[in-house]
Amino acid sequence: AQSVSQHNHHVILSEAASLELGCNYSYGGTVNLFWYVQYPGQHLQLLLKYFSGDPLVKGIKGFEAEFIKSKFSFNLRKPSVQWSDTAEYFCAVNAGSSNTGKLIFGQGTTLQVKP
Amino acid sequence: DSGVTQTPKHLITATGQRVTLRCSPRSGDLSVYWYQQSLDQGLQFLIQYYNGEERAKGNILERFSAQQFPDLHSELNLSSLELGDSALYFCASSGNSGSRGEQFFGPGTRLTVL
Repeated sequence: AQSVSQHNHHVILSEAASLELGCNYSYGGTVNLFWYVQYPGQHLQLLLKYFSGDPLVKGIKGFEAEFIKSKFSFNLRKPSVQWSDTAEYFCAVNAGSSNTGKLIFGQGTTLQVKP
Repeated sequence: DSGVTQTPKHLITATGQRVTLRCSPRSGDLSVYWYQQSLDQGLQFLIQYYNGEERAKGNILERFSAQQFPDLHSELNLSSLELGDSALYFCASSGNSGSRGEQFFGPGTRLTVL
């Protein structure tokens, strides 16, 4: 069965610090990978996605993620965080060979950015 | 605003009761997904409907059922409620049924079972 693991449950950073959130998945086949963000009091929004091609993908608000197939990882990065990045971040996986959009989510990482 | 609406926002009920959660997808989206978010289980996929038909099923309890109507709105029915069913229930929609469709999430319904 597919599973997704996010290593950091709670991260506290100061503004301008660099961010890297870990995400590993377990699934042997082709995968589609996503990072979603949930700002306080808001709905989940897509940050970025990877289907194929260049393993370094860029998303909204300066976020990027790198797919490393050999490590089954899809880590999220941002060079310089802002207070407005305070939110919960979810990594999600979909089995690329399936004909459904079923997403398997990680447990989420709460990011707190101090001004 | 994602364009996905869910009602009600909050629901408080007692054990053993039955409730219905409603979701209206974004205009034109044919797929509807239901997810449950709880402290101990995280965000879990429950079920997907595409154009009125069930497309995929996750760890959905037998006490739970869903359907998608001809106007594409969906309802999630939860019966014989238990304390452990207290959670945030999200609906999402996408334009197609496949694995690459971006899902747009609604604001969720917070269910509290007392």
